[in-house]
Amino acid sequence: QVQLVQSGAEVKKPGSSVKVSCKASGGTFNDFSFSWVRQAPGQGLEWMGAIIPSVGVSNYVSKFQGRVVFTADRSTSTVYMELKSLKSEDTAIYFCARDRFDLWGQGTRVTVSS
Amino acid sequence: NFMLTQPHSVSEAPGKTVSISCTRSSGSIASNYVQWYQQRPGSAPTNIIYEDNQRPSGVPDRFSGSIDSSSNSASLTISGLRTEDEADYYCQSFDDNNLWLFGGGTKLTVL
Repeated sequence: QVQLVQSGAEVKKPGSSVKVSCKASGGTFNDFSFSWVRQAPGQGLEWMGAIIPSVGVSNYVSKFQGRVVFTADRSTSTVYMELKSLKSEDTAIYFCARDRFDLWGQGTRVTVSS
Repeated sequence: NFMLTQPHSVSEAPGKTVSISCTRSSGSIASNYVQWYQQRPGSAPTNIIYEDNQRPSGVPDRFSGSIDSSSNSASLTISGLRTEDEADYYCQSFDDNNLWLFGGGTKLTVL
């Protein structure tokens, strides 16, 4: 059964960076794109962008351009989202989702607090 | 970019039918497929409708999707409401600038 398994919760200081992983297991990896979606406390879903691991190409929402980097390790079927220069407003649950959003990771809670 | 606007909340009794709208602010609703997601508290979203009106396997036929060009909106209809349908529902569509956009979400309360 295909699953997306994300890394555990993180607590970070303002100005630091966080790197969240999303490992695909039980299915093909290279055939799909992977999106990152975040959800601030009590708020809706916000698409951050996506990566196509087979070609290493990423597309970022302009709001996050320059602060976020998506990478992929095809040998371990894992995609990563690194968000830099963290602010308190980045406190959220971060989800990865496959291609047409038919499969989602369980979410990773990132808390930014001094 | 366009926006997708949903009602903040809807409520209905068990066994009844409820519809949740998703209105596109500019451009035609028919230009890009609309998806719908269900998110229960503490869980990740799950896809319940794709390509306007298609149900993934395992999604009951109580859930249906449609689009209405006259109101430039998509709708999710849930019939035979059950208490387990109580959740947040999000619509989603694709912008021609290669962006996925979500509606603000609708909280469904099954009274």
